[in-house]
Amino acid sequence: AQSVAQPEDQVNVAEGNPLTVKCTYSVSGNPYLFWYVQYPNRGLQFLLKYITGDNLVKGSYGFEAEFNKSQTSFHLKKPSALVSDSALYFCAVRDMDSSYKLIFGSGTRLLVRP
Amino acid sequence: DVKVTQSSRYLVKRTGEKVFLECVQDMDHENMFWYRQDPGLGLRLIYFSYDVKMKEKGDIPEGYSVSREKKERFSLILESASTNQTSMYLCASGKTPPSYEQYFGPGTRLTVT
Repeated sequence: AQSVAQPEDQVNVAEGNPLTVKCTYSVSGNPYLFWYVQYPNRGLQFLLKYITGDNLVKGSYGFEAEFNKSQTSFHLKKPSALVSDSALYFCAVRDMDSSYKLIFGSGTRLLVRP
Repeated sequence: DVKVTQSSRYLVKRTGEKVFLECVQDMDHENMFWYRQDPGLGLRLIYFSYDVKMKEKGDIPEGYSVSREKKERFSLILESASTNQTSMYLCASGKTPPSYEQYFGPGTRLTVT
């Protein structure tokens, strides 16, 4: 079965330090991978995606993600965290059985302390 | 910018009421989706539509129905609201493949008492 796992419910990091939010996936074939962010009382916003090409993908707000096929991972990273990055982050993968659907992880809450 | 709007941010309904949640997108996207978001469970797909009057069940369609009479509008209907349908409801619209990106509305927090 296809799935996405975000093993950490919450990640805590100090402002200015690098951050990593983890995501692993299980799909057949070549995955299409996405990261979304949800700020309080808001809908989800698209951050970045990997479809093909360079394993390091750059996205909005200084975020990037590294696709690792051997480890089936797509971790979200940022070199220097901001307090304003505190939010809920969702990893998603295209449902290979559907032309339209995404499968979302359970979400990771990022807390950046001043 | 893509804009997806939802008719209400907060809604309180009584058990047994019929509830309508409306969603409108302005980017001419073919695909539209309804999710519910619950803590620890992420987003779960209720229904989606890939064209006007076309719909498919998602992962948790029980207790819900949908309507898409116009391309820009996708409605979620709770035929008889129950307390276990208290949740955050998110609407999204999406591009056709190969892009797959989805754009989300602000959400409706529904409380059923």
